[in-house]
Amino acid sequence: QVQLRESGPGLVKPSQTLSLTCTVSGGSINSGNYYWNWIRQPAGKGLEWIGRIYRSGNTNYSPSLKSRVTMSVDTSKNQFSLELSSVTGADTAVYYCARGVGAIIGTVYNYYGMDVWGQGTTVTVSS
Amino acid sequence: DIQMAQSPSSLSVSVGGRVTITCRASQTISSYLNWYQQKPGKAPKLLIYAATHLQTGVPSRFSGSGSGTDFTLTISSLQPEDFATYYCQQTSSVPLTFGGGTKVEIK
Repeated sequence: QVQLRESGPGLVKPSQTLSLTCTVSGGSINSGNYYWNWIRQPAGKGLEWIGRIYRSGNTNYSPSLKSRVTMSVDTSKNQFSLELSSVTGADTAVYYCARGVGAIIGTVYNYYGMDVWGQGTTVTVSS
Repeated sequence: DIQMAQSPSSLSVSVGGRVTITCRASQTISSYLNWYQQKPGKAPKLLIYAATHLQTGVPSRFSGSGSGTDFTLTISSLQPEDFATYYCQQTSSVPLTFGGGTKVEIK
């Protein structure tokens, strides 16, 4: 079955750029009606959606992070990536990648839940 | 942004008890409402999608209802493995947003 795994540095200095990659295994990032997400969760707190990317490379970002977020997809490597610039301590969190399920009904693209998640990777912003 | 108000924030329930968690959206989201279960140190797990559809492999004691702005997750008979935090999420519009979570604890 499809599995996702996040990778990247666990420690990032303030003002620098956080870079994470999600590797998809057991299936192709190019197949099916899916959208690929990044979500984060500060310790002891709730879930925050960062953004999503499609296999086409089209993206949607959370407005609260939009000025600092860049997502990309590499279909040849079956990976998608997150960059978050100018990080502060408020960006310290567990970062998850997740597959979102979509379905085209008529002319409408319907967004359903996120059915496959990575295990999460802890990123700490500290000097 | 669509705000998701989830209640209660926590509850204590005995094994075998019935659990009802509600989620209210700040504007109509049709049926674009999903429910997740998260255990400590683990990634969330999709339980219910599109308000009422049970994700493959999820026990039938979990059910979802509602449409528009008001939604409910019900666990008909709580099992020991169900003690966890539950989140609702809307996928109607960007940014996708989650409720604040409901922690279900052992009574």
